[in-house]
Amino acid sequence: DSGVTQTPKHLITATGQRVTLRCSPRSGDLSVYWYQQSLDQGLQFLIQYYNGEERAKGNILERFSAQQFPDLHSELNLSSLELGDSALYFCASSKRTAGELFFGEGSRLTVL
Amino acid sequence: QKEVEQDPGPLSVPEGAIVSLNCTYSNSAFQYFMWYRQYSRKGPELLMYTYSSGNKEDGRFTAQVDKSSKYISLFIRDSQPSDSATYLCARGGNQFYFGTGTSLTVIP
Repeated sequence: DSGVTQTPKHLITATGQRVTLRCSPRSGDLSVYWYQQSLDQGLQFLIQYYNGEERAKGNILERFSAQQFPDLHSELNLSSLELGDSALYFCASSKRTAGELFFGEGSRLTVL
Repeated sequence: QKEVEQDPGPLSVPEGAIVSLNCTYSNSAFQYFMWYRQYSRKGPELLMYTYSSGNKEDGRFTAQVDKSSKYISLFIRDSQPSDSATYLCARGGNQFYFGTGTSLTVIP
């Protein structure tokens, strides 16, 4: 158990819908990262937050947004969902940017 | 040029073999490297974390960083069927960059 908690574990929804994925980082970790992993693909970096502020953006679509709250949990919002958004979405946390990165078990999103 | 490049494999070895997994990196300004193990559709699990060059050993696993050639390696001794997974290398620093992963199968 990495200490990073993600909910929900599985989510099935329809095209055009909106979903919210939630992440609780490890105790004491200030930095939260979101990654997307499609079937048989590598990890695609979406976005990073550090202590409530956006720190870096990767290949995140405009239909996607995220935020980190004062209690350091983070939410990833995916809207106007398309079939191609079906993937595993991982949250990871670290104490600082250069430190060890720990992943949650992921949220598996299926868009029908 | 990608920050981290990794041979995707797949790699298949008999049980008990020594496995060598390799990555190259492009930016020598950063010195934090990690190896992750990912079982199918599960979250990547941090196996090894190294800073700078040299070797780091943890049980059957040894991580090696060669700064002169910008090469990072993970060696698995006495490989077990439970080691069958995808292994990801990563570079830390200002941001985290991951290799695409090497799929390993250890045959009993």
